[in-house]
Amino acid sequence: QVQLVQSGAEVKKPGSSVKVSCKASGGTISSYTISWVRQAPGQGLEWMGRIIPVFGTANYAQKFQGRVTITADESTSTAYMELSSLRSEDTAVYYCARLTGGFDYWGQGTLVTVSS
Amino acid sequence: QSALTQPASVSGSPGQSITISCTGTSSDVGSYNLVSWYQQHPGKAPKLMIYEGSKRPSGVSNRFSGSKSGNTASLTISGLQAEDEADYSCCSYAGSSTYVFGTGTKVTVL
Repeated sequence: QVQLVQSGAEVKKPGSSVKVSCKASGGTISSYTISWVRQAPGQGLEWMGRIIPVFGTANYAQKFQGRVTITADESTSTAYMELSSLRSEDTAVYYCARLTGGFDYWGQGTLVTVSS
Repeated sequence: QSALTQPASVSGSPGQSITISCTGTSSDVGSYNLVSWYQQHPGKAPKLMIYEGSKRPSGVSNRFSGSKSGNTASLTISGLQAEDEADYSCCSYAGSSTYVFGTGTKVTVL
């Protein structure tokens, strides 16, 4: 059974960066495509980007180009999402999800709060 | 890339059928048979209900069905039950290895 376990909640200052982790178990992350999706309070889901660890290639939504970096460490079956130049509008729950035909397994979500 | 358009809310009585629309463009929904649908209860992670337009993952009730016509995809819930009350979001492949979600729809069971 695939499980994605994310790191804990973060509180960050505007202008700083945050790095969220997503550890996979029940399978090898190398064979997955992992996406990151965020949800601001009371808002819809927003796709941020994805990585295929075995190829090491990442693709990003245009909105986040230059501000987000998605990486993966196959040795620890962990994917990471780093978002820089944080602003208040980045306050959201960030999810990792495995992509097959759809996003079939999701992490539990990580709340990132950006506040001065 | 703009979010796909969904109605903000849809409601129905137990036992009825409801349909949620998801309107995109010829660059996303209209070009690919790669629309998926997600159910999300408050405070929980989304759950995959439909993928590749009309396929149901194992364990998802056959009361849920998906379809597409042109630039609009649809999710139909038949035999509406109290447990179906949740938020529903569509998602489409948008080319160049990118995806776009819908604006989300709140389903209320009257």
